[in-house]
Amino acid sequence: KAGVTQTPRYLIKTRGQQVTLSCSPISGHRSVSWYQQTPGQGLQFLFEYFSETQRNKGNFPGRFSGRQFSNSRSEMNVSTLELGDSALYLCASSFGYGTASTDTQYFGPGTRLTVL
Amino acid sequence: KQEVTQIPAALSVPEGENLVLNCSFTDSAIYNLQWFRQDPGKGLTSLLLIQSSQREQTSGRLNASLDKSSGRSTLYIAASQPGDSATYLCAVGEWGSGNTGKLIFGQGTTLQVKP
Repeated sequence: KAGVTQTPRYLIKTRGQQVTLSCSPISGHRSVSWYQQTPGQGLQFLFEYFSETQRNKGNFPGRFSGRQFSNSRSEMNVSTLELGDSALYLCASSFGYGTASTDTQYFGPGTRLTVL
Repeated sequence: KQEVTQIPAALSVPEGENLVLNCSFTDSAIYNLQWFRQDPGKGLTSLLLIQSSQREQTSGRLNASLDKSSGRSTLYIAASQPGDSATYLCAVGEWGSGNTGKLIFGQGTTLQVKP
């Protein structure tokens, strides 16, 4: 069974640009969550999508947005990039339904974004 | 606001030693607690998941316990090996507006096992 895939793996952008990251979940999983990882703040939750709807949102500015498609693939977009957006962006997938307590999240390898 | 703390931040042990990693959380309203491993520059690998109604889970040389009332979890690693060197992250599943919610992570414990 293929794992969670993320593209691209590495990205270099300049301040003010925008970027789109992609995540393909494990087959059969309908929930996709996004996290930002930085050395200073650690892992922080961005948002979760389930069946094309945003179900939860973390405490990030509106420059961070996402969407989910009918095949459960998800994209996240960051507009007007700032230096502080440099981070490893991880996505995780899970079934997202049924018993929440047993719903393990499986993480992809991440996209390393560098903003110059 | 849920806060997750992991102690110690870093640990170095000789090969073969048994060790314990600690995780504490401030709000007991969780639906599960997960332990992950992260190798440098890589994503997270799920190690163990403990449901909120459970007390412990075991997988191979790993054993994780959960005490919701005191807001604590421990990850026990038996007979450590150099291949266990990695950052270990504890995360609690917090109820959101939907059926599942978001994971709140600790800052991690970086483990080095010396041959």
